[in-house]
This record gives sequence, C-alpha cells and structure tokens, in this order.
Amino acid sequence: GQNIDQPTEMTATEGAIVQINCTYQTSGFNGLFWYQQHAGEAPTFLSYNVLDGLEEKGRFSSFLSRSKGYSYLLLKELQMKDSASYLCAVRDRSYGGSQGNLIFGKGTKLSVKP
Amino acid sequence: DAGVIQSPRHEVTEMGQEVTLRCKPISGHDYLFWYRQTMMRGLELLIYFNNNVPIDDSGMPEDRFSAKMPNASFSTLKIQPSEPRDSAVYFCASSLAAQGRAEAFFGQGTRLTVV
Repeated sequence: GQNIDQPTEMTATEGAIVQINCTYQTSGFNGLFWYQQHAGEAPTFLSYNVLDGLEEKGRFSSFLSRSKGYSYLLLKELQMKDSASYLCAVRDRSYGGSQGNLIFGKGTKLSVKP
Repeated sequence: DAGVIQSPRHEVTEMGQEVTLRCKPISGHDYLFWYRQTMMRGLELLIYFNNNVPIDDSGMPEDRFSAKMPNASFSTLKIQPSEPRDSAVYFCASSLAAQGRAEAFFGQGTRLTVV
C-alpha cells in the first residue's frame, strides 16, 4: 500500500524560513512532487525530486532521501502570499500504469504571519 | 493555452439528482485525470485516461460514478444518483505523460454540494 504523511498545519513569520516535512511509504517509488494550493484554487507544481539531494528554485528548495522515505520543502524569506497548503505527492509504479500515478498527501496548511 | 478548463465552478444539487462535471484538458496532453478533494481524505485519484481510453478506474468510489472521454478535448464525470457524501471539490488535471517529472496541470475545480 501507500502512505504519505505531512503535518496538518504550520505557522511561520514573514521573512523567516520554514521547512515542511513529508514521509512516505510506497512499493514502487518513482519520483516526488511538491504542489502549492491557495485556498479555493487549483494545486500548482513547485518541484520534482527523483534522486537524493537538494533541488533549489529561487526561494523554494526541495530535498529527498529515498533510503529514509523522506522529503522536505524549504521556503526562505517567507512572504504573506506563501500562505497556502503544500501537497507532497509521490509517483508510485504500483499505482496505476507502467510508470505510476501520483499519490497525494493531505497537505500542510501554512500560515504566514506579519 | 488557457489551461485546463472545468465547468461548472460550483454546483449545488439535491440528493438523488444526476450531476455532470465537465473538463477540457490542455491541447496536446495525452493524459487526463479526475481527482476528488476533501478535508478528510485529501486529493484522491478517481480515474485517468490515456489517449481518450480509460486506463485505471479503481479509484471510482461506486457504480454511481462514471467518466467518459469522447475525444481529446473533452471529458465528463457523472454522478447518478448523487448523495450528500459526494460533496467535495472535483479536479480535472492533464499532463503530457504519466512518468518521470511530467507534471499534472490542474483545472480550477468544481465545488459540488449535495443537499
């Protein structure tokens, strides 16, 4: 089976750094995605990791450790507009199709305070 | 491209009524996905299509749910009869592929309320 865990909610201060963790258990890991979802809107793609290590993209970075089944999303220089839910999603080969479909965590609701 | 387009944005219906949700994927995308999002269960994959053919519908909760993709630019998700527990946000997404770093592009969703 598949299982993806993320904290339900987090709060941080404008200008600070926040790390959102994600742990997963899948039988056919084939990549990990982070999506951002503002309230009432569609999820939008943030990052992709398939090899161990850190991927940096501006203020956002994503880290993956396949041996630990662990990823985190790091947001630097937080802005009020970063208040949103952050969804961790794993592509699992055993879940539909030869390459696997995305299994989403329930998301972490981040609130950025002034 | 305008992105994935879903209609309606909001739907309120009475229990027992038929509900049809519509989706237009991004042109050129071979994969189309229907997801349902609730607070309790998060984002769940219901069914996906590859080149208009349903590949995996194991996420469809019951026989009351059905989905079609008559051509590359249109898909429907139908619930008949609808029940209050079907209340959720239904997202359609499309992608170039279902492998590697191919990302899914989501529509704005349909917020369904069954009373």
